[in-house]
Amino acid sequence: KNEVEQSPQNLTAQEGEFITINCSYSVGISALHWLQQHPGGGIVSLFMLSSGKKKHGRLIATINIQEKHSSLHITASHPRDSAVYICAVRSGTSGSRLTFGEGTQLTVNP
Amino acid sequence: NAGVTQTPKFQVLKTGQSMTLQCAQDMNHEYMSWYRQDPGMGLRLIHYSVGAGITDQGEVPNGYNVSRSTTEDFPLRLLSAAPSQTSVYFCASSWTGGSYEQYFGPGTRLTVT
Repeated sequence: KNEVEQSPQNLTAQEGEFITINCSYSVGISALHWLQQHPGGGIVSLFMLSSGKKKHGRLIATINIQEKHSSLHITASHPRDSAVYICAVRSGTSGSRLTFGEGTQLTVNP
Repeated sequence: NAGVTQTPKFQVLKTGQSMTLQCAQDMNHEYMSWYRQDPGMGLRLIHYSVGAGITDQGEVPNGYNVSRSTTEDFPLRLLSAAPSQTSVYFCASSWTGGSYEQYFGPGTRLTVT
């Protein structure tokens, strides 16, 4: 079992829908990252969080440390949100290193 | 700021050839790392560095060497390329590792024939 599991692996939505991507991890962590990989391959950081909730525009990230679970929500989805969304964790025993989930491929149709 | 730059963007090698993937950042970040991305798998850490002169192995270090002579540069060397090293390689940097925002380079797509 991977340390970081994402679900679903693939997600297709219609424009305007509310989207949720989930990330579960099996180790104690000090930080969790959500990243976005564009169709062209570039990777950008969306959020880094260690507790609670963060919001940026239409994106919201939450984390429940006790349940070892994080969610990324996209409100009013748009075709330009189509990308791979990647969860990564810094565990308490890995020093500076990150462990990555396999990613969730999101396609938003007009 | 240019951020994190990587060269080349694409490379084709024959089995047994060696090459160096270049990575540079202009944000004065202490932490730099190299990852490979393969279909169906998450990004996997090859090598990382917490500062100039300090490097360490990640999850999949075999067949790769790194050095960190300056804060800005972190080259990745393939010693004798193998088809199993066909992958997309990403360099990343941040202030001190996993608890800070990560900045990624654009990636290098490497094919070994």
